[in-house]
Amino acid sequence: DAKTTQPNSMESNEEEPVHLPCNHSTISGTDYIHWYRQLPSQGPEYVIHGLTSNVNNRMASLAIAEDRKSSTLILHRATLRDAAVYYCIPNIYSGGGADGLTFGKGTHLIIQP
Amino acid sequence: EPEVTQTPSHQVTQMGQEVILRCVPISNHLYFYWYRQILGQKVEFLVSFYNNEISEKSEIFDDQFSVERPDGSNFTLKIRSTKLEDSAMYFCASRGGLAASYEQYFGPGTRLTVT
Repeated sequence: DAKTTQPNSMESNEEEPVHLPCNHSTISGTDYIHWYRQLPSQGPEYVIHGLTSNVNNRMASLAIAEDRKSSTLILHRATLRDAAVYYCIPNIYSGGGADGLTFGKGTHLIIQP
Repeated sequence: EPEVTQTPSHQVTQMGQEVILRCVPISNHLYFYWYRQILGQKVEFLVSFYNNEISEKSEIFDDQFSVERPDGSNFTLKIRSTKLEDSAMYFCASRGGLAASYEQYFGPGTRLTVT
């Protein structure tokens, strides 16, 4: 599995954008980059994933560096509900496998009102 | 919105006892997973299950663990002889088929306390 490096914690103000970085310099060419988050006392929750191109969904945007060695999860307008631990997870989608996710320590995002 | 459910929410057991944790994955999903999270630590993958057999398992998933899909809706994790270090939150997850999204949907977890 590719090794990831994320800041231990980040703080932001409510209604402001948040950029959560992740370094994954050992990622293989076939690994997708997945982001999950875990709200307090809950199970992990899928946020977004991508391979090479930048991706948007209703929750967030994912910006992937051209060399794929890093990516940034963007929350466009943070709310208090976005306070969680955010995990960046490179993971191969083999199309036939049932690959388990390898969680790191993630980034603890604190949102100030 | 469909969701993964888990029962019980909290299980207390004595060391050496057998426990079964139960999960109901999302109904049309094909891949099933168990993870655990010891208090204050990372979420750890235990096992994945597809087509009625284990697809992948981690080093944690030793002979004292087993999984089963006894019917079309339930997915269970059995720990044969619990140890103190098995105390953790156990999360079940499921994922759709080959052409579906890659996202795994997690349940709310079962807190297992071994005394």
